[in-house]
Amino acid sequence: EDQVTQSPEALRLQEGESSSLNCSYTVSGLRGLFWYRQDPGKGPEFLFTLYSAGEEKEKERLKATLTKKESFLHITAPKPEDSATYLCAVQASPPLVFGKGTRLSVIA
Amino acid sequence: DAGVIQSPRHEVTEMGQEVTLRCKPISGHDYLFWYRQTMMRGLELLIYFNNNVPIDDSGMPEDRFSAKMPNASFSTLKIQPSEPRDSAVYFCASSFGSGEGAASNYGYTFGSGTRLTVV
Repeated sequence: EDQVTQSPEALRLQEGESSSLNCSYTVSGLRGLFWYRQDPGKGPEFLFTLYSAGEEKEKERLKATLTKKESFLHITAPKPEDSATYLCAVQASPPLVFGKGTRLSVIA
Repeated sequence: DAGVIQSPRHEVTEMGQEVTLRCKPISGHDYLFWYRQTMMRGLELLIYFNNNVPIDDSGMPEDRFSAKMPNASFSTLKIQPSEPRDSAVYFCASSFGSGEGAASNYGYTFGSGTRLTVV
């Protein structure tokens, strides 16, 4: 059974304080690892897809990396508007299997 | 495109009543997914369709839940009778392709969800 575990459950950062979120996974035949952002009262919003170990993708202050067992979402010099829940998901065959997310709060 | 549209945004109902949630996917998307989100269990897949045909409904918790997709632009999720433990946020998502290949560059597009409260 495909499993996704995210840590920490919640993270509180000062503005400008860089950190990383972790997503560890167990899946047979990974076809993609997805990162989403979810704001309160809204649906998840797609950020990145990673396909193979060693791959990296960046978007503004976010950088996602992938190894054979886990993925990291690095947040550099975060701002209050980066506050959200970040979800990780894996796909071996449809559909996506999601982790429970990391709630990020960035304090000015 | 207006994105994935769900209605209603909020629903409060009494235990035992029938509840119908609605979803309009993005035009041209051939996959439609229904997920349920709770604090305890996160996002769980209930059922998904490909070209209007149900492919996997193993996530539907009980016979009280049913879903239909009569055409490419509309899907419903029905709960009858509803129970307090059904309280959650229900999301509909659509994609072009299953998320593999070129489609995975965009992932699934989610609606804003329906917050269901059963009292």
